[in-house]
Amino acid sequence: TQLLEQSPQFLSIQEGENLTVYCNSSSVFSSLQWYRQEPGEGPVLLVTVVTGGEVKKLKRLTFQFGDARKDSSLHITAAQTGDTGLYLCAGVGNNFNKFYFGSGTKLNVKP
Amino acid sequence: EAGVVQSPRYKIIEKKQPVAFWCNPISGHNTLYWYLQNLGQGPELLIRYENEEAVDDSQLPKDRFSAERLKGVDSTLKIQPAELGDSAVYLCASSLGQGHRDTIYFGEGSWLTVV
Repeated sequence: TQLLEQSPQFLSIQEGENLTVYCNSSSVFSSLQWYRQEPGEGPVLLVTVVTGGEVKKLKRLTFQFGDARKDSSLHITAAQTGDTGLYLCAGVGNNFNKFYFGSGTKLNVKP
Repeated sequence: EAGVVQSPRYKIIEKKQPVAFWCNPISGHNTLYWYLQNLGQGPELLIRYENEEAVDDSQLPKDRFSAERLKGVDSTLKIQPAELGDSAVYLCASSLGQGHRDTIYFGEGSWLTVV
């Protein structure tokens, strides 16, 4: 059983479209991180959210941590082909240093 | 600052053969992780070290997998004997160990194919 459920599992869109991916759990996390992984590479950290309700923006990417710290979303505005990759969320449990990864959302942005 | 370094990047071996992966974490990072990642899936923790102590190895298949982190810096992960189902990416990662504000930094991974 996956502690963190990500949806959708796959997403294929045209360049310029907007999209949102979700990371949900029934557990509360101390913090939550989003990573992007390109083929043949290791995951690279995009953002860490710590406070319930927190919103962080990274250029065209907007990250939100749920008020109850059980879920998060990643919204991409005007997607570009360079956004293609596997998006992973990871929650830090109350037992610090224990990271729980979601199963990932595979995004393909077509030109 | 150098990132997490892993070697080899790619390895192809026959089943029942041994294989070892090496990891050099970011300097000063006390926490070291080994993850297994299947294609298109999220990483799954194999083992976590705090300095030289393995503090979480509950997901490590100890009948064939072993790991060590001598002197609390570099680490090796060994599989002996390898099985076909072990084909995956083995990711090493490190962090400072700062509780809920901690950040994991990953290496590029060691891609294993067992034939």
